[in-house]
Amino acid sequence: EIVMTQSPATLSVSPGERATLSCRASQSVSSNLAWYQQKPGQAPRLLIYGASTRATGIPARFSGSGSGTEFTLTISSLQSEDFAVYYCQQYHNWPPMYTFGLGTKLEI
Amino acid sequence: QVQLQESGPGLVKPSETLSLTCTVSGGSISNYYWNWVRQPPGKGLEWVGYIYYSGSTNYNPSLKSRVTISVDTSKKQFSLKLSSVTAADTAVYYCARSNTAVVLSILRPYYFDYWGQGTLVTVSS
Repeated sequence: EIVMTQSPATLSVSPGERATLSCRASQSVSSNLAWYQQKPGQAPRLLIYGASTRATGIPARFSGSGSGTEFTLTISSLQSEDFAVYYCQQYHNWPPMYTFGLGTKLEI
Repeated sequence: QVQLQESGPGLVKPSETLSLTCTVSGGSISNYYWNWVRQPPGKGLEWVGYIYYSGSTNYNPSLKSRVTISVDTSKKQFSLKLSSVTAADTAVYYCARSNTAVVLSILRPYYFDYWGQGTLVTVSS
């Protein structure tokens, strides 16, 4: 099983600042990495897939980078609606054994 | 716009079987993989398993002995059964669609592009 480790567990940032979230895979997942945003009481929403491609309708302030085992989600200028929990997910193997990180809570 | 909606009992007794259904609307059920994901209260996401529209399945090894996922393409629904439940199975259960791509002539599932709103299932007597 590929283990996904996210850091930090909680990140405190002010609106307008930049946030950098990290995700590490226990073995290479190439670029088969997605990021999701989850707000309280809501389902996760796809932000980034293929490590760096924004999903439809996702603002340009969200960007993803990395490949192999190290990945980063950057939010360039935090808006109030960005405070949420962010999960990374790998989908590398075939057949897939999807695994998620434990999440990073982005708080004001 | 594809929409997914979970339905089923919100309360299940210990040792019994949890049963949920996901209804797909606004798009085709064909040529996609359909997943169940769960989230215990206050915790992270755990993939339960998927079914391809043709009926082939793949389950999380940690749950494999207790999970069955089935599909009814005529109703555009897929279902989850989880047997012998305990309090540890209390969670919000989401259905989700895997986006797909052809790799070496195989239609492979990738990230989850559409999710249902989720339904809380509590295991308690």
